[in-house]
Amino acid sequence: GEDVEQSLFLSVREGDSSVINCTYTDSSSTYLYWYKQEPGAGLQLLTYIFSNMDMKQDQRLTVLLNKKDKHLSLRIADTQTGDSAIYFCADPPSNTGKLIFGQGTTLQVKP
Amino acid sequence: NAGVMQNPRHLVRRRGQEARLRCSPMKGHSHVYWYRQLPEEGLKFMVYLQKENIIDESGMPKERFSAEFPKEGPSILRIQQVVRGDSAAYFCASSLAGEEQFFGPGTRLTVL
Repeated sequence: GEDVEQSLFLSVREGDSSVINCTYTDSSSTYLYWYKQEPGAGLQLLTYIFSNMDMKQDQRLTVLLNKKDKHLSLRIADTQTGDSAIYFCADPPSNTGKLIFGQGTTLQVKP
Repeated sequence: NAGVMQNPRHLVRRRGQEARLRCSPMKGHSHVYWYRQLPEEGLKFMVYLQKENIIDESGMPKERFSAEFPKEGPSILRIQQVVRGDSAAYFCASSLAGEEQFFGPGTRLTVL
């Protein structure tokens, strides 16, 4: 079946790099997504990666995709306190329209 | 261009009442999705609609829940005879042609 798994919590110091990991089971997706959710708010699309790419860099964000292991990661360089939020990876099984979300990783950034 | 709008933002109902949640997609978007987020959990897909059609309702509970997206007006998620377990945040998303989904701020339903 379709499943997405993430670790639940990550704590880093301001200025360090954060790496949030995700594994998924359905490999039919054209894209894989990372969303950010701040307390009491909706989801904001952070970045995405096309399934035929290994890496995508977007300013402080780097997405790595290992299709063989079905592993996706999000690296945030120079993490700031404003990056504190819950991060969700999402896998859209092809031709279904829906997104399958992981449980979310709570990123805590200590000053 | 306004984003996805949901109202109300907060809704309190007593057990047995009905809850109606509204979602106005982004301008020009004809695909709408509803997701539910239980406390401390990720989002779970409920239903996918295009104008006047339900495309996929595989995530909807079989009883008490219904959704519509009429030709005119917002999409409505309706929960009849609410129970405490329905307390959650309900998010709506819209897309142009089944691709990137843009999310609304959510409706937080509390059932007393």
